Amino acid sequence: GAVVSQHPSRVICKSGTSVKIECRSLDFQATTMFWYRQFPKQSLMLMATSNEGSKATYEQGVEKDKFLINHASLTLSTLTVTSAHPEDSSFYICSARARGGHYNEQFFGPGTRLTVL
Amino acid sequence: AQKITQTQPGMFVQEKEAVTLDCTYDTSDPSYGLFWYKQPSSGEMIFLIYQGSYDQQNATEGRYSLNFQKARKSANLVISASQLGDSAMYFCAMREEGTALIFGKGTTLSVSS
Repeated sequence: GAVVSQHPSRVICKSGTSVKIECRSLDFQATTMFWYRQFPKQSLMLMATSNEGSKATYEQGVEKDKFLINHASLTLSTLTVTSAHPEDSSFYICSARARGGHYNEQFFGPGTRLTVL
Repeated sequence: AQKITQTQPGMFVQEKEAVTLDCTYDTSDPSYGLFWYKQPSSGEMIFLIYQGSYDQQNATEGRYSLNFQKARKSANLVISASQLGDSAMYFCAMREEGTALIFGKGTTLSVSS
């Protein structure tokens, strides 16, 4: 099956710093990537959808200036949490849909656990 | 309005027994897909099973089957012969035409010996 990687898997940072999370599709081209956030024992909440070469579409309530998403190539999307605060501590999961893929194909990365001190 | 509803926060089952995890959905789109994912404590999302809205038969994948009742808008997951390794969080999800997967709140399944 298709593989999606995320880096880093865990990150701890101080309040006020920025953190970049990378999401890569390793063996397929991802025309669309999705970013989700998951708080402990809660559901995955869609943050934004990004298509290669265009601006991301953010869900209601997600600050686009705080969560910067770049989908510069067909295999890489990045999420930058700017000026992180403790309430941004969460599990961030990316997901990718393949170019020409079947309707049911959306592959998930292993997630990144962010802790902001 | 919530599009995916999972009403069971937690379920308990003994090994080798079958268990049904409930999921109802809400959509006016005639074309949609329903998914179940397993999320162990490691956090990875493991795809289990998929049902398309136009599929005539219920989907099955090994010990997993999806009880699709379109008129009731339900898509329950049935796990047969539960194993200790099935203990995890289970999410029902839906995708309408051209949209991202939207998830329910999840059900924590605990399998005991």
